[in-house]
Amino acid sequence: GEDVEQSLFLSVREGDSSVINCTYTDSSSTYLYWYKQEPGAGLQLLTYIFSNMDMKQDQRLTVLLNKKDKHLSLRIADTQTGDSAIYFCAEISGTALIFGKGTTLSVSS
Amino acid sequence: SAVISQKPSRDICQRGTSLTIQCQVDSQVTMMFWYRQQPGQSLTLIATANQGSEATYESGFVIDKFPISRPNLTFSTLTVSNMSPEDSSIYLCSTGGGHEQYFGPGTRLTVT
Repeated sequence: GEDVEQSLFLSVREGDSSVINCTYTDSSSTYLYWYKQEPGAGLQLLTYIFSNMDMKQDQRLTVLLNKKDKHLSLRIADTQTGDSAIYFCAEISGTALIFGKGTTLSVSS
Repeated sequence: SAVISQKPSRDICQRGTSLTIQCQVDSQVTMMFWYRQQPGQSLTLIATANQGSEATYESGFVIDKFPISRPNLTFSTLTVSNMSPEDSSIYLCSTGGGHEQYFGPGTRLTVT
């Protein structure tokens, strides 16, 4: 079945760039997503990319999609302590989302 | 974007009891989804609820355990029946279509 894989932890220093990686299996996914979950909070849609795009930039966020390798990445420029959270990669399968296990990003000052 | 609210935000329940979680959307939507997030885990889809039809359950989830109602285009409920400690999770309501998939704040359930 469909599966989404992510590394579990990433630790960076404030001001550095963070890169969170994800691989997925459903080549028919039309959209791929990045969600952010802060402690005790719900899921916040950060950004998404359409499957026919290679890159999408939105302020400090850059999403790269390698469709051949089914690899998705999220780059956060100038990472701040407020970026500390769990980041979930998700692909759409039919009408619902398949999530990865989430990457915990820890930002130290 | 859709704004989604859920009630209750959290609850502590005794095993063997049932809890009904409400989900309200600020606009009419065709499809609503219920997800479960077990402690330290990712989100797993429980079921898809369309107005006017029976909910469609994912493998591992059954209607007797998780009955769902969808009485109109802005509201849905999920009931967690005959609860056990393994049901302790965050339950999230979601809606959307195409590139827009939005989530409610979640209901944090603890079963003792």
